[in-house]
Amino acid sequence: QVQLQESGPRLVKPSETLSLTCTVSGGSISGYYWSWIRQPPGEGLEWIGYIYNSGGPNYNPSFKSRVIISVDTSKNQLSLRLSSVTAADTAVYYCARGPLNCSGGTCYPLYLRYWGQETLVTVSS
Amino acid sequence: DIQMTQSPSTLSASVGDTVTITCRAGQSVSDWLAWYQQKAGKAPKLLIYRASTLEGGVPSRFSGSGSGTEFTLTISSLQPDDFATYYCQQYKSYNSFGQGTKLEIK
Repeated sequence: QVQLQESGPRLVKPSETLSLTCTVSGGSISGYYWSWIRQPPGEGLEWIGYIYNSGGPNYNPSFKSRVIISVDTSKNQLSLRLSSVTAADTAVYYCARGPLNCSGGTCYPLYLRYWGQETLVTVSS
Repeated sequence: DIQMTQSPSTLSASVGDTVTITCRAGQSVSDWLAWYQQKAGKAPKLLIYRASTLEGGVPSRFSGSGSGTEFTLTISSLQPDDFATYYCQQYKSYNSFGQGTKLEIK
């Protein structure tokens, strides 16, 4: 059974960097794509970015200048760093895993089958 | 990025009803579309992918259809457990989600 467990500070000060780690158990990091999605309180889902080990990260343009997503295959971990945070970055953050459709050396991320648990990060001084 | 628009935003229905939620894409996403169910305090759960393929373990009263820019999620014979918020997601070009449809008990 694949399980995703997020960890990291739940309270971040404005202008600082939000850092979360997603540890994967019951499955490998390799061969899948990994996404970060967030959900502000009372609002809908917002895709932040994704990564897979046969390709570089891809980010939502809304975050592109502030976000870094990386994978550590030796630790089976996915990471998110979001810099220069404001109160608008207060949200529940999810990591999620999905399959890849690979053909001719190119891979395309598909849907998201496994999700981590709700992780509320609050930006406040 | 591809804009996804769901309608309605809120839907009131009773147990036993059949309901339909619509998702429209700002440009064609072929059939690269998924539907998720989210309950309060929980992560989204995958229901349907490739517009109409039911995820394993999901009851057959859920069905999806459509291609291109218009898609529907239909729930037949609503059960008490189905009252939740539903999201569509395109994965044709990166990812983007609809704003959600809250299905509430009438």
